[in-house]
Amino acid sequence: GAGVSQSPSNKVTEKGKDVELRCDPISGHTALYWYRQSLGQGLEFLIYFQGNSAPDKSGLPSDRFSAERTGGSVSTLTIQRTQQEDSAVYLCASSLRVGGPSTDTQYFGPGTRLTVL
Amino acid sequence: KNEVEQSPQNLTAQEGEFITINCSYSVGISALHWLQQHPGGGIVSLFMLSSGKKKHGRLIATINIQEKHSSLHITASHPRDSAVYICAVSDNFGNEKLTFGTGTRLTIIP
Repeated sequence: GAGVSQSPSNKVTEKGKDVELRCDPISGHTALYWYRQSLGQGLEFLIYFQGNSAPDKSGLPSDRFSAERTGGSVSTLTIQRTQQEDSAVYLCASSLRVGGPSTDTQYFGPGTRLTVL
Repeated sequence: KNEVEQSPQNLTAQEGEFITINCSYSVGISALHWLQQHPGGGIVSLFMLSSGKKKHGRLIATINIQEKHSSLHITASHPRDSAVYICAVSDNFGNEKLTFGTGTRLTIIP
């Protein structure tokens, strides 16, 4: 079946503009994660959705970042008033089930490369 | 100090060599993940371990929970194995968000 998809694949924006990044997880996956991969910073966790539970937003770097997941499927990551330090590859991942002693493999999307000029 | 540390940062080897990449972590974990990222490519999950050893083809991953250490081995390495290998841990039951190592860039020379 289809894997995790993300759009757009590339986004160039001007400093101060808002951007929306989209993630379509694998159908039936209940958990969805957003990560960021910055040059020189490596990969870092941003936000996590699990079913109908309140999302874990502990990784969001500032209040300019927000995300929602509608209907337990598609997720949108929004960055307001973009700054140059927001330039990175934003990765989405999904997994079938979480919790308990046997954790689940995360399937990653191809990422959205964001460049803030 | 990072919670997840990998070594080496860079590794160049000849085709056919046996490769070992190490990962140490400082937190309690529910699982350890090995990921592969090809240049310009996406991230693929290779292994997810909570104990013992797993093998898939030429790849072997081991974990020692007491020592908080894991290794990824590649036997009979091939140029197509050239990639960045990333160790990551999930440190809470019920929330599998990953904390990542900085990655090991592996180059296999024909």
